[in-house]
Amino acid sequence: LAKTTQPISMDSYEGQEVNITCSHNNIATNDYITWYQQFPSQGPRFIIQGYKTKVTNEVASLFIPADRKSSTLSLPRVSLSDTAVYYCLVSLNGNTGKLIFGQGTTLQVKP
Amino acid sequence: GAVVSQHPSWVICKSGTSVKIECRSLDFQATTMFWYRQFPKQSLMLMATSNEGSKATYEQGVEKDKFLINHASLTLSTLTVTSAHPEDSSFYICSARVTRQGGRGYGYTFGSGTRLTVV
Repeated sequence: LAKTTQPISMDSYEGQEVNITCSHNNIATNDYITWYQQFPSQGPRFIIQGYKTKVTNEVASLFIPADRKSSTLSLPRVSLSDTAVYYCLVSLNGNTGKLIFGQGTTLQVKP
Repeated sequence: GAVVSQHPSWVICKSGTSVKIECRSLDFQATTMFWYRQFPKQSLMLMATSNEGSKATYEQGVEKDKFLINHASLTLSTLTVTSAHPEDSSFYICSARVTRQGGRGYGYTFGSGTRLTVV
């Protein structure tokens, strides 16, 4: 299973764009990259998933370079409510598909 | 769509008793579900994978006799913490694997978690 590495913490201010980069050097051909958000005492919430290039939805963008060994989650114009832990995961498009969580990135948005 | 309902959201039990946590898929059939535990300020740790109609697969170091998992139907998986002790106090989270439309990989939807406190 591909291991992911993210910064432990990041600080930002309201209205700024936040980019969180995740390394997954051992990603396999069939792996997808997914980002989750978790607030205290809640289950993780899906943000975005991608396989290659760029994916955008109503809350975030995901940039994946050609070699797919890293990915960057981009949160436009963050607000205080975006303070949370963000996890980057690599999942197998296969039979087990176990999701193994890394340490995550604690994002603190300040006023 | 793809909602997982987890109950209870919190429970306090006495040491030595057993506690059951339920995880239901509300609008889809979950062939595979996962159970995690999370200690304060730590990441989620995978405990086991449950497949409907078969025995759960436990991760290394997780006691299968202490954490009983049952996945008897496509919409329900349960985790029973048997003979609970204070060190079992934690946040337990279930997750179900959802096949994305168009064969574009899998998605995973999570329950809201259960805060277990053993006194």
